[in-house]
Amino acid sequence: EVQLLESGGGLVQSGGSLRLSCDASGFTFGNYWMHWVRQAPGGGVVWVSRMSSDGRTINYADSVKGRFTMSRDNARNTLNLQMNSLGAEDTAVYYCARGPRSDSGNYFVGDYWGQGTLVIVSS
Amino acid sequence: QSALTQPPSASGSPGQSVTISCTGTSSDVGGYNYVSWYQQHPGKAPKLMIYEVNKRPSGVPDRFSGSKSGNTASLTVSGLQVEDEADYYCSSYTGSKNWVFGGGTKVTVL
Repeated sequence: EVQLLESGGGLVQSGGSLRLSCDASGFTFGNYWMHWVRQAPGGGVVWVSRMSSDGRTINYADSVKGRFTMSRDNARNTLNLQMNSLGAEDTAVYYCARGPRSDSGNYFVGDYWGQGTLVIVSS
Repeated sequence: QSALTQPPSASGSPGQSVTISCTGTSSDVGGYNYVSWYQQHPGKAPKLMIYEVNKRPSGVPDRFSGSKSGNTASLTVSGLQVEDEADYYCSSYTGSKNWVFGGGTKVTVL
């Protein structure tokens, strides 16, 4: 069974940093693209970043570029999101999502999603 | 990257059909056949319902179908059921090698 479990969320002051993790199981993690997506309370879903299966390709939304860093450890089946210079606009539930297999030729954000971890940035 | 445009709400009676539109630009929806649709129930994570315009992941009922014309994609839910009441989001790959979501549509089953 595919499972994604996010952790690391919490309350942080404006300007602070936080590191989110996503532990994956039930599939060969190193074969898949992975994404981070966030959703502000009462708001819509917003794409944050994606990383290729080998970690060589990373793309970020303009709103987080230069502040957020996505990484992965295929040996430990773990995805990370380092978030710096946080502002109130970053308050959201953060989801990790499994993208397509790198050799599938498919395009989508996530066929499996974690339950999310809540980040609250206070001023 | 601006969000794709979706109507805020849509509704239908059980058994009827409802269609949700998703309008972008030639740089996203119109430029790629990489539109997907997600269903989200309150307090839950989004669920992939349609990918690459009209493909259904295994386990998704064939009542859900997708299409695209120009810069506008559509999701149709036929034979509406009570459990279809949820928020629906479209998403598209973009020319900036990013992804963009729509603002979401709340579907109500009357």
